Parts: sequence; C-alpha cells; structure tokens
Amino acid sequence: DAGVIQSPRHEVTEMGQEVTLRCKPISGHDYLFWYRQTMMRGLELLIYFNNNVPIDDSGMPEDRFSAKMPNASFSNLKIQPSEPRDSAVYFCASSFTRQSGYTFGSGTRLTVV
Amino acid sequence: TQLLEQSPQFLSIQEGENLTVYCNSSSVFSSLQWYRQEPGEGPVLLVTVVTGGEVKKLKRLTFQFGDARKDSSLHITAAQPGDTGLYLCAGVRYGGSQGNLIFGKGTKLSVKP
Repeated sequence: DAGVIQSPRHEVTEMGQEVTLRCKPISGHDYLFWYRQTMMRGLELLIYFNNNVPIDDSGMPEDRFSAKMPNASFSNLKIQPSEPRDSAVYFCASSFTRQSGYTFGSGTRLTVV
Repeated sequence: TQLLEQSPQFLSIQEGENLTVYCNSSSVFSSLQWYRQEPGEGPVLLVTVVTGGEVKKLKRLTFQFGDARKDSSLHITAAQPGDTGLYLCAGVRYGGSQGNLIFGKGTKLSVKP
C-alpha cells in the first residue's frame, strides 16, 4: 500500500481564494482524520469520519471550513474564503479503529498571503 | 491548557549521549502512543503502550507507561543523528467520549554528529 496520499504538497494562495486539500486514505481503514499543525498550537483535530460519515467536526474553526468524504477512498477539506491565519500544515490520517495507531500523510503546507 | 504536556520542548545533544523525554497529564489514558515526525513529513507511529507500568523497547528506544496511566517517558540510548525529529505523545483518554487521539505539542530533538 502506498500509504495515505495527500495533495497538493504545497499550496500558496491569496486571501479570499478557495482552497481544496485532498486525501486518499489507506484501503480498509474505517477512520479518516483531518489535523492542522502549527508551531503555536501543535496538532489539532479538525474533523474525523467513520465509514465515510462525519462523526465529530467540533474542531473545525468556523464556517469557512468544510470537509467531505464521498467514498471510502477520498476526502477533501475546503477553505472558502481563505485567510492568512489559515496558514499551517494540514495532515490527513487514517486508522482501523479510533484507538489504533494512525497513519499520516505527508501533509499539505498551506500559505495564504 | 494542554491535556498532554511534553518536556523538554527542545533538546540538542551530541551523538552518543543518552536522553529522556516526558509526557505528563492529570488525566488517565487507556493507551498512549509515541510518534516521530521528521521535517516535511507526517508523524510516524513508534509504539503503543496500554498497561500501567508497561515497558517496551524498540532498538535503542525504551518507552514506559506510568503505573497510574497518566504519564509516559521515552529514553534513547546512545543517540544517533538519525534520531533527530519531533517526538509526539498521543493518548486515548480513559472513559472519555472523545473518539480521537489527543496529541502533545512534542519534544524537538536535535542530535549533532
């Protein structure tokens, strides 16, 4: 298996633009997580899915953020409109269960100017 | 307030030295995981500890889960430059309703040749 695949690796966009981050989880993993990592706050959970259904989105900062998982092999995270304070590294991770070890993707480094 | 406090935040040592990093909480965890994250990559799972007092070894790395399941430590013997990275602990809180791992902010280790 190729692991969790995220795209793009880097994204630079202007404030106000829509940003879409993509993730392909490991086949057979029932859970998918979106995290955001910054120096100040570390890794923060944004949302997680179980069997393609969103379970907890309490970490999503505000209505500008949305995430979907239309099928077991794909999820996306959208930010519209983007703001400079959204600049961070966004990780997708997948796992067999809530408590089992997570496999992380390589992340998307987002810079909003 | 961070649920999982990691110390030290930064550690810079010479190759061949020993070191210990800590992960502490006032909460009880049903399990605790350690990850290592290298620059530009996502965290990679090193080990999961489940039983209070449990000790696990991974080559030169020794992981211990506290008897009360509130804390954990990672000891590295004869550190190598390849051990450089951000070490993250993450726990599943015992009896909590959260369905996700809670991450500490990490210890950034630099091993100089």
